[in-house]
Parts: sequence; C-alpha cells; structure tokens
Amino acid sequence: AQSVTQLDSQVPVFEEAPVELRCNYSSSVSVYLFWYVQYPNQGLQLLLKYLSGSTLVKGINGFEAEFNKSQTSFHLRKPSVHISDTAEYFCAVSPMNTGFQKLVFGTGTRLLVSP
Amino acid sequence: DVKVTQSSRYLVKRTGEKVFLECVQDMDHENMFWYRQDPGLGLRLIYFSYDVKMKEKGDIPEGYSVSREKKERFSLILESASTNQTSMYLCASSPPSGQGVEEQYFGPGTRLTVT
Repeated sequence: AQSVTQLDSQVPVFEEAPVELRCNYSSSVSVYLFWYVQYPNQGLQLLLKYLSGSTLVKGINGFEAEFNKSQTSFHLRKPSVHISDTAEYFCAVSPMNTGFQKLVFGTGTRLLVSP
Repeated sequence: DVKVTQSSRYLVKRTGEKVFLECVQDMDHENMFWYRQDPGLGLRLIYFSYDVKMKEKGDIPEGYSVSREKKERFSLILESASTNQTSMYLCASSPPSGQGVEEQYFGPGTRLTVT
C-alpha cells in the first residue's frame, strides 16, 4: 500500500517570495509521483509529474519539484510566487505495478499568497 | 482540450434519497474515476472503471455504486443518502496506461449536501 504525507496544511507567503511545499511518501513498490493544483471552485489540474530520468522536474507556471529516493520525498518549489498561485496543492503517487493509474493523494497544502 | 463535465455544481438532498451524480468526458478515455474530497483528508477513491460495464472498488466504496453503460459517461449512485456523505465529489478520466502514464483530467466537482 502507499501513503502520502503533506505535513503543512497551510503555507502563508508574501508575493515574490520563494516557497517550498513538502511531500513525503511511503510505498513498498516503486511509484510515479505527481503534483496537482486546485484553484478555488475548480477541479484539479496537473502541475508536474516524475516518471523516470532526471530527478528535477519542471512543470507549468514556474513550479519545479525534486525527487529524492533516499528520503522518499518530492518537494514542490517556486522561486517567486504570485497572488494567482493561491490554491490548494496535492501531492500524489501511483504504483508502477498496476495496469492503470491509481492515484493516492496527500491531504493537501493550501498556499496563501498575500501582497 | 479534454473536458470533463459534471451534471451539477451544487446539490442538496434529504437523508434516504437516492442520488445520481453524472460525469461525462469528451476525449474517448477508457479510464474513469470517482473521488470524494474532504477537508484534511484529501481525495479518496470511491470507484473506478477501465472499460464500459467494468468497475472496480476503490478505497471507500461503502454506500456507493456506479454505472458505466457508455464509454463517455460514468455515474455515481448513492442508494440511500446519509449525512456523512456530505462532501465534494470529483470525477476524472484518463487514457489507458499502455500509452504511458497519463495524467488524470478532473471535472469541476459537485458539492453535495445531505440534510
């Protein structure tokens, strides 16, 4: 079984400051890793994903994440946030041994960007 | 663009009613999913379907059933609604994993209140 931990339920930051949203996972098999974003009153959309290869993954809207296998982490970062980045962010994993994509989500981190 | 639509954004039902939540996708995706989203719990998988008339239980199927008579449509059914089923319900679809690990595309969600 897999589990995903997002320790920070809420992260307040000022506009143009850097931000890191933490994600740790547990799994007995290898996994694919994802970050999704949910803007207010909308469904989720994919920010980025790690399947294999380079451990630094770049996504949309200037976000990036780094896969660290030894620490089982996949933290999301952005060097300078905008007001429009205010949203809820979900980390998710999918085990490699399934024939389809079964996502296991973390509890989410609400990013609050203020002027 | 992939579009996943859900029949209602907001729904209020009474305890004991039979409730149907409808989801339609326009990208000919094989896989479809129903999640519920609760504060502090993230997204939890209720049911998924990898083909017409095929369904599999997710992590929290109790109190729910599903129907997939056509490829583009996946319905979630609450046989007898209860107050603990008050939640946000999200539908998603994705192509088959044989084409690579594809992202899931989410609808905007249905906020169901059971009184």
